[in-house]
Amino acid sequence: GEDVEQSLFLSVREGDSSVINCTYTDSSSTYLYWYKQEPGAGLQLLTYIFSNMDMKQDQRLTVLLNKKDKHLSLRIADTQTGDSAIYFCAETHTGTASKLTFGTGTRLQVTL
Amino acid sequence: NAGVTQTPKFRILKIGQSMTLQCTQDMNHNYMYWYRQDPGMGLKLIYYSVGAGITDKGEVPNGYNVSRSTTEDFPLRLELAAPSQTSVYFCASSDPGREGAFFGQGTRLTVV
Repeated sequence: GEDVEQSLFLSVREGDSSVINCTYTDSSSTYLYWYKQEPGAGLQLLTYIFSNMDMKQDQRLTVLLNKKDKHLSLRIADTQTGDSAIYFCAETHTGTASKLTFGTGTRLQVTL
Repeated sequence: NAGVTQTPKFRILKIGQSMTLQCTQDMNHNYMYWYRQDPGMGLKLIYYSVGAGITDKGEVPNGYNVSRSTTEDFPLRLELAAPSQTSVYFCASSDPGREGAFFGQGTRLTVV
C-alpha cells in the first residue's frame, strides 16, 4: 500500500535555510505536493512537482525529487518566523480521482 | 471567490447524537473530498466524489455517510457520534491535473 513518511520536528534559526524531507513508497506517484498548515487553519498548497521532474524552484522554495530513492525534499531559503507551521508532503497518481496520501507532517519551528 | 467553505467551525456532540458537516465550493470542481486529521497524524480520506451523484469510500469511511446532489455541495453525515470521531474534519475540492486540492478551514468536532 501507499505510505508517506516525514520526520516530526525541525528547528531552525531565522535567516537560515530549512530542509524538510519526505519518503514515499508508491512508485506510480504522478504528482507530489507540499502543503503548509498554520495553527487552527486549513492546508495551503505551497508547491508541487510532477514525477518526471528532478527539481522545481519557486521564489524561496526549492523542491527536489529523487525518484530512484523515492525521496522528496522542500528547501526554504532565508527562513522567517512566518514560516513556522506544519508542512505536509502528499502524493497522488493517475486513475485515483486525485486522492491525496499525506505524510504525518513536519513541524517547523523558527527561532530568533 | 470564497473557495471551499465549511460550517460549522466548531461543534461539541454527545455520544449517539447525529450531525451534518456542510461543505460547499464555488470553483466548479468535479472532485470533492472529506479528510479527518487526528493529533500528530496526517490526513486520512473518509469519502470522496468525482461528480454529482457519484461517491465512494476512502480509507476510513466507517461511521460516516455522504451525498453529492450538486457540483457545489458535499455534506458529511455522522449518524451515531462516538468518541473516536473526535477530530478535525477538512473538506477539499480539485479538478484533475496538477494543481492539487483546495482545502476548507476545517471543522473541529468533539464527541463527549
